[in-house]
Amino acid sequence: AQSVTQLGSHVSVSEGALVLLRCNYSSSVPPYLFWYVQYPNQGLQLLLKYTSAATLVKGINGFEAEFKKSETSFHLTKPSAHMSDAAEYFCAVRRTGGFKTIFGAGTRLFVKA
Amino acid sequence: NAGVTQTPKFRVLKTGQSMTLLCAQDMNHEYMYWYRQDPGMGLRLIHYSVGEGTTAKGEVPDGYNVSRLKKQNFLLGLESAAPSQTSVYFCASTREGTGVNNEQFFGPGTRLTVL
Repeated sequence: AQSVTQLGSHVSVSEGALVLLRCNYSSSVPPYLFWYVQYPNQGLQLLLKYTSAATLVKGINGFEAEFKKSETSFHLTKPSAHMSDAAEYFCAVRRTGGFKTIFGAGTRLFVKA
Repeated sequence: NAGVTQTPKFRVLKTGQSMTLLCAQDMNHEYMYWYRQDPGMGLRLIHYSVGEGTTAKGEVPDGYNVSRLKKQNFLLGLESAAPSQTSVYFCASTREGTGVNNEQFFGPGTRLTVL
């Protein structure tokens, strides 16, 4: 069975600081991995996805994530936080050949001025 | 191109009342999903559909029913609402099922409170 664990339900950073949101997955077969972002009172939108083409994936708004098979991790990073990055971020996994996506519990990012 | 839309945006029900949430997509997607979002629990799949006329149970289907009579619409029904169904409900759709480009497109959500 697949599962996703996001470490830290809340993360707070200062504007301009590094953003690091952690995600670990469990999957018996190579998975597809996703990060979604949810702004207040909106639906989720795709930030980036890993589909085995490259281990370092670049997404929108300057975010990127690195797939590390040995660590079963897919952490999301951004070098310099902006106030507009304040949102909730969800890591998700889907096994190759499957169509159900399993979502993590989410990490709320706060950005301090 | 509106993407995925949901009706209504907000609703307050009394225990035992019924209602239907409507999801519509104009992207000609085959797969549609209903999720509920609760604090600290992420999104949990309620029901899904792999094409017009089909439905299947997800992770938390009890107390809900769905129908997909038209490809573009996916309805979620609550026959007898309970306070435990207070949640934010999201509809999503995908162009294909198992391929690489299976990005989920989400609607804006319906915030439901059951008193």
